[in-house]
Amino acid sequence: GENVEQHPSTLSVQEGDSAVIKCTYSDSASNYFPWYKQELGKRPQLIIDIRSNVGEKKDQRIAVTLNKTAKHFSLHITETQPEDSAVYFCAAKVTKGNNRLAFGKGNQVVVIP
Amino acid sequence: EAQVTQNPRYLITVTGKKLTVTCSQNMNHEYMSWYRQDPGLGLRQIYYSMNVEVTDKGDVPEGYKVSRKEKRNFPLILESPSPNQTSLYFCASSFQYQETQYFGPGTRLLVL
Repeated sequence: GENVEQHPSTLSVQEGDSAVIKCTYSDSASNYFPWYKQELGKRPQLIIDIRSNVGEKKDQRIAVTLNKTAKHFSLHITETQPEDSAVYFCAAKVTKGNNRLAFGKGNQVVVIP
Repeated sequence: EAQVTQNPRYLITVTGKKLTVTCSQNMNHEYMSWYRQDPGLGLRQIYYSMNVEVTDKGDVPEGYKVSRKEKRNFPLILESPSPNQTSLYFCASSFQYQETQYFGPGTRLLVL
């Protein structure tokens, strides 16, 4: 089945710097890749997603890039702020068998003021 | 207000005592899903439902049951809970499985 891995597991950045989280997937037919943010004690919420027909998508300080050949996609957060501190989950659509998203194990991002 | 609700939010129970965690959404979503979240393991799907009366196993279905008799409700049933089912459980819904999933607030379960 689909295997989704995230790196690094923990990332600390100074406020104002950029953060990049990379996610790799195994199913070359996957065509939908969302990123979810989970603040401490709260539910995961979608922050951005990308489909395989585009290589990059931006929403204010957040962007996602997709490299289909290498089977990885990355979350980019610019001008990080303390409220960006959270766990970020990537996911990829499973195309074989059941209809679902496979989630990575999450990255803890800590923004140091 | 569009939302996914879960009840109860916190539950302490003992091994073997059947329990049900309810999930309800008011967005007319077709797709609903249950996840468990454990430290270091991320979100793992337990069961999902594409529509009424259509359910299927996710990654970790053992020890769980679900039903989808109505579009808005998707309860999670633990017939005989065991300590390894101690976890944080999230229900989620979306129009389709490859669209934005809206998560409920979570249910923290402790099985003694």
